[in-house]
Amino acid sequence: ETGVTQSPTHLIKTRGQQVTLRCSSQSGHNTVSWYQQALGQGPQFIFQYYREEENGRGNFPPRFSGLQFPNYSSELNVNALELDDSALYLCASSPTTGMNTEAFFGQGTRLTVV
Amino acid sequence: AQSVTQLDSHVSVSEGTPVLLRCNYSSSYSPSLFWYVQHPNKGLQLLLKYTSAATLVKGINGFEAEFKKSETSFHLTKPSAHMSDAAEYFCVVSDPSGTSYDKVIFGPGTSLSVIP
Repeated sequence: ETGVTQSPTHLIKTRGQQVTLRCSSQSGHNTVSWYQQALGQGPQFIFQYYREEENGRGNFPPRFSGLQFPNYSSELNVNALELDDSALYLCASSPTTGMNTEAFFGQGTRLTVV
Repeated sequence: AQSVTQLDSHVSVSEGTPVLLRCNYSSSYSPSLFWYVQHPNKGLQLLLKYTSAATLVKGINGFEAEFKKSETSFHLTKPSAHMSDAAEYFCVVSDPSGTSYDKVIFGPGTSLSVIP
């Protein structure tokens, strides 16, 4: 078990609604990354936060946004939900931004959009 | 642009026999390469990583991988499969600069089944 916790574990939302997913990073880690994993596919990088600032973003529209707090926990917000947003959302924390550093993943939040 | 190909979507082996999960990558840089494992209803766990040191990388649970630049491959192996190895495995390539995290690319995954 890693020290990364995500909440909620499961969520059902209606198309057009907004959702907030939360991630508590491992102690001592200042970097949090978010990924979207559609069913049967590999995770896709959404964005990374380092010391409360966005530090890199994947190919996702602006309705995907995030925050990182002074305690390095993080939120992922998705506005105007679409059916294709249904996926497992993974949060990963690491002690630095360098990719040579191991990322520790949470168990994910399963989002279903109906 | 970077890309990752995992040549088998599903691999099935008998317990006690060798495991080979294949990964090929495309990268404009000297990449960092990783293998992650995902057990059902669990988060991703790092098995091993290559970061331009030794080309043969040893990981956890008896897994190892060899970086072959000429073949652009990073195949994952284990001499003897255990029932607990049944899971989804992901090969990952990244931008070695570490500053542009939007170049982290996961492969589509290989599902490993272990038959008793």
